[in-house]
Amino acid sequence: GAGVSQTPSNKVTEKGKYVELRCDPISGHTALYWYRQSLGQGPEFLIYFQGTGAADDSGLPNDRFFAVRPEGSVSTLKIQRTERGDSAVYLCASSLVPSGSNEQFFGPGTRLTVL
Amino acid sequence: GDSVTQMEGPVTLSEEAFLTINCTYTATGYPSLFWYVQYPGEGLQLLLKATKADDKGSNKGFEATYRKETTSFHLEKGSVQVSDSAVYFCALSFNQAGTALIFGKGTTLSVSS
Repeated sequence: GAGVSQTPSNKVTEKGKYVELRCDPISGHTALYWYRQSLGQGPEFLIYFQGTGAADDSGLPNDRFFAVRPEGSVSTLKIQRTERGDSAVYLCASSLVPSGSNEQFFGPGTRLTVL
Repeated sequence: GDSVTQMEGPVTLSEEAFLTINCTYTATGYPSLFWYVQYPGEGLQLLLKATKADDKGSNKGFEATYRKETTSFHLEKGSVQVSDSAVYFCALSFNQAGTALIFGKGTTLSVSS
């Protein structure tokens, strides 16, 4: 079966531009997470969706970052006025149920480079 | 705050050597503990997990035991293979709806033949 997919795999943009990163979770998974992984670091939590709603957005670094999941499946992470410090790999994960002890399935990530 | 600390890499071993990657955690409650692995060019995937104290997670010859008294979850394998070369991440999560994983920085393992 299909795993979590993310598009694009690579995105290069210029400072100040707007970008959208897409995540397609495993079918039927109600929980969806976004993480950011900087070079040499482990992934860091950004936002969690249960269904269509953002149940926890405490990891978003500032108001330039926003994410939506309008139909409870595909999610889009949106970054406004990108900065060089936003360069990282953005990971999406989904889980069948949101319990913390359950496995999260990760996508391959989108590598964002801000010039 | 809650955190995970794992040994710095890279770890370089010869094939069939014994592997230990240390992981300790700080948590206010009783988390579930995980090891995730990232093979070159691939996404993160769960290697093993343990959900309560003294549980042992195991998979593909890897093992880790949840030690509450030492707040540790060290990863071990008796005989590594070249195909085990990857980045290994220790992580924790609390058993509540929607809690995210908290990861360590990762340890790179390189196994040569």
